[in-house]
This record gives sequence, structure tokens and C-alpha cells, in this order.
Amino acid sequence: GAGVSQSPSNKVTEKGKDVELRCDPISGHTALYWYRQSLGQGLEFLIYFQGNSAPDKSGLPSDRFSAERTGGSVSTLTIQRTQQEDSAVYLCASSSPEVQLFFGSGTQLSVL
Amino acid sequence: TQLLEQSPQFLSIQEGENLTVYCNSSSVFSSLQWYRQEPGEGPVLLVTVVTGGEVKKLKRLTFQFGDARKDSSLHITAAQPGDTGLYLCAGAEGGSNYKLTFGKGTLLTVNP
Repeated sequence: GAGVSQSPSNKVTEKGKDVELRCDPISGHTALYWYRQSLGQGLEFLIYFQGNSAPDKSGLPSDRFSAERTGGSVSTLTIQRTQQEDSAVYLCASSSPEVQLFFGSGTQLSVL
Repeated sequence: TQLLEQSPQFLSIQEGENLTVYCNSSSVFSSLQWYRQEPGEGPVLLVTVVTGGEVKKLKRLTFQFGDARKDSSLHITAAQPGDTGLYLCAGAEGGSNYKLTFGKGTLLTVNP
């Protein structure tokens, strides 16, 4: 597709379970970002990948959160031992470096 | 941590009215972006302002960056129902575009 694709679009899980969220960036975009949007809050930066450089993980809220980007393309955000406060919309974006960000539609995560 | 305060948080107006949304910070940003987000979708970039005092127009939308690059405003003339959505401002730190600081947004509803 032409845009950033995220899956699943909705995920309901039980507290304590692990979840994986997937992001397919726009072809050719070397930069990939993960943001989190909680109800009534602005977007919160989580992690940034740029080419083969070490990712900027400074926004990850705890060590339960991790992300990887394989082959410079697809990225997976993993949340281990989910907590209710992890419930949010997780947004992925991609761009050519330092140019406009294109966001996906997000994954709505609900932790019961 | 740089913060962006948006006001008002909610705005409900009638079609044809004018409105202004504000984005304020005590910190200086190298650039500021405005996004619009519709339910179930990711934010879409409307404009980027870079120079203090800069004014950009996008059809009925006028964006202004404060002289000190700490604040910005979005003015919509003759609002239409299609303008309904969540308007987010986001500031870039230093010379980097990737670690954006987002405001919490203004939820605009334009009633026909």
C-alpha cells in the first residue's frame, strides 16, 4: 500500500500478557517512529529508528517496552506483562530523514 | 521537558463562524507543526512553521509562529463541517525533526 500500515487495528488483552504491534512503513522511508496516544493526552514519543543507526529509545516508559526494526523496514513494538495503564493508541510513523512524518491509523490497545 | 499547552481543549461552533486555536510554551522550538487527526486515523500534517513571525495560509486556515518561536496560532475562517477534528500542535527540539513534543490537542466540532 501507499501509506503506513499498522496491525492489528485493535487488540484486547488481559493484564500480564505480552503483545506485539506491527508497523509497515512507506517503502523507501528510512526513518520510523513509534508514538503513544492516551485518552485526553497528546502524542508521547516512544522510539525512533533511522537507517542502520542505533535507535533512540529514550521515550520508552519502562523496560517492559521494546522495539525492533528488521531489515530497515518492518518494525515490531513489544509490550511484556501488560498493565492497564498501557491502554492507549499506539501510532507508527515513517519519513525520509528530517522530512514530513506520515502516520499510520494506529493500534488501539485495551488491557483488561 | 518542553511542554506545549493548547487552548481551548474543546470548541463547538456553527458553520460559517471563525475560530482561533492557540499553542503556547515557555520553551523555544526550532520549528512547529500543526496536524489534524480524525477518529480512528493518525494525525495528518497541515503545515510546518520555522521562522519567528512566519505566517502561512492554507485555503481558509492561517498559521502563525510567534516572534520568539514559543507560541503559535491556527485561525480558521468560515468553518465548515469538514473542518471537524482534533488539531494538534507539535514542536521540534533543536535541529531534529524526530522527537516531537505534542500538545494535547483541540477538539473542534463544526455543526451544520
